[in-house]
Amino acid sequence: KQEVTQIPAALSVPEGENLVLNCSFTDSAIYNLQWFRQDPGKGLTSLLLIQSSQREQTSGRLNASLDKSSGRSTLYIAASQPGDSATYLCAVRPYQAGTALIFGKGTTLSVSS
Amino acid sequence: NAGVTQTPKFRVLKTGQSMTLLCAQDMNHEYMYWYRQDPGMGLRLIHYSVGEGTTAKGEVPDGYNVSRLKKQNFLLGLESAAPSQTSVYFCATQGSYNEQFFGPGTRLTVL
Repeated sequence: KQEVTQIPAALSVPEGENLVLNCSFTDSAIYNLQWFRQDPGKGLTSLLLIQSSQREQTSGRLNASLDKSSGRSTLYIAASQPGDSATYLCAVRPYQAGTALIFGKGTTLSVSS
Repeated sequence: NAGVTQTPKFRVLKTGQSMTLLCAQDMNHEYMYWYRQDPGMGLRLIHYSVGEGTTAKGEVPDGYNVSRLKKQNFLLGLESAAPSQTSVYFCATQGSYNEQFFGPGTRLTVL
C-alpha cells in the first residue's frame, strides 16, 4: 500500500531564508506527484505538478524535484516570506486502483519577519 | 470561471440527521472526488466519479453515498450522520494533465 511521509511536520524559519520541504513515498509506481498549499481554514491550492517522466518543475520562487526511483520529492522555497506561512501537502497518484491522490500529512511552515 | 465550488461552507447536524453536500465545477472535467480531512489523518478519499452517471468507492466510503447525475455536479450524502463524520469535506476535479483542483471545503460538525 502506498504511503506518503512528509518531514518535518513543522518548520519555523526567519524571513529571507531558503528552505526545503521533504516528501517520500513507498511505491515508485506513480503517475505524478503534486504539491499543494493549504492556509488555515481554507482549501488546497495546487502549487506544482510533476509527471513521472519529469525531474523537476519551477514556478516563481518554488522548485519541486522528483526522484521516482528513490521515492523522494523536495519542494524548495527561495527567499521565504511571511506570506509563505501555510501547510504544504505532497500527494502522489498511483498507477493502480483508481485515480485518486494519496496524501502526506503535511509540513506546517511558519516564516517570521 | 468559478472553478470548484462547494455548498454549504459550514453545517452543524445532530446525530441521525441527513444532509447533502453539493460540489459544482465549471471546468468540464470528467473526474470528480470527495475527500475528508481530519487532524492527524490527512486527506482520505471517500468516493469518486470518472464521468456522468458513474461512481466508485474510495478508502473510507462507509456512511456516505454519492451521485453524479450531471457532469458538472457531484453530490455527497449522509443518510444518518454520526459524530465520527465530523470533518472537513473537500471536493476535487481532475484536469487533462491529471492535476487535481480543490474546492474551498465544507466544515461539518455532528453533535
